[in-house]
Amino acid sequence: DTAVSQTPKYLVTQMGNDKSIKCEQNLGHDTMYWYKQDSKKFLKIMFSYNNKELIINETVPNRFSPKSPDKAHLNLHINSLELGDSAVYFCASSQDTPETQYFGPGTRLLVL
Amino acid sequence: EDKVVQSPLSLVVHEGDTVTLNCSYEVTNFRSLLWYKQEKKAPTFLFMLTSSGIEKKSGRLSSILDKKELFSILNITATQTGDSAVYLCAVESYNTDKLIFGTGTRLQVFP
Repeated sequence: DTAVSQTPKYLVTQMGNDKSIKCEQNLGHDTMYWYKQDSKKFLKIMFSYNNKELIINETVPNRFSPKSPDKAHLNLHINSLELGDSAVYFCASSQDTPETQYFGPGTRLLVL
Repeated sequence: EDKVVQSPLSLVVHEGDTVTLNCSYEVTNFRSLLWYKQEKKAPTFLFMLTSSGIEKKSGRLSSILDKKELFSILNITATQTGDSAVYLCAVESYNTDKLIFGTGTRLQVFP
């Protein structure tokens, strides 16, 4: 049983396109996150939602927009993709505290 | 299927104690193993290990990798309350070039 799943696993697209990455968790958690992993393996938090409400919104371009249709899903939509958006994006979820998070398998985005 | 297992899940100690956190993995085409410390927000990077038997050290924290037995340990000596956090282990494979995370060990250090 997959706890946190992401689709697609790989995404190759042209600059300027709009794309979405989906995340679903079946753990019944209240909080979900999106992270961007850079080339040095550092993880940078982008967004956090608690019960469908945005609680963390770090400094990311407004081309990135998270959408949470229900507390089990947190999708990431990216408009006008740029070369620098190429990275691995991780979704995670946790219950009450941000400490114990379960990570998804990641989505590798390559913008050409 | 690739997987990373950490133990123990939770650990409670007093300041000054030494702790050892474990991470075992099954990954095809292993590339590297990374340790992160997570407090409030995003995990912060601690170590990356690629070669077996070489110890990485930073202050009171040290880590070693055993590629033959497929595990790594993270040691923290003379623990302080500021060490309280979740410690995540992640493994990278040449196949996917992505990180596979364990579920973490929650460490609580009391005065």
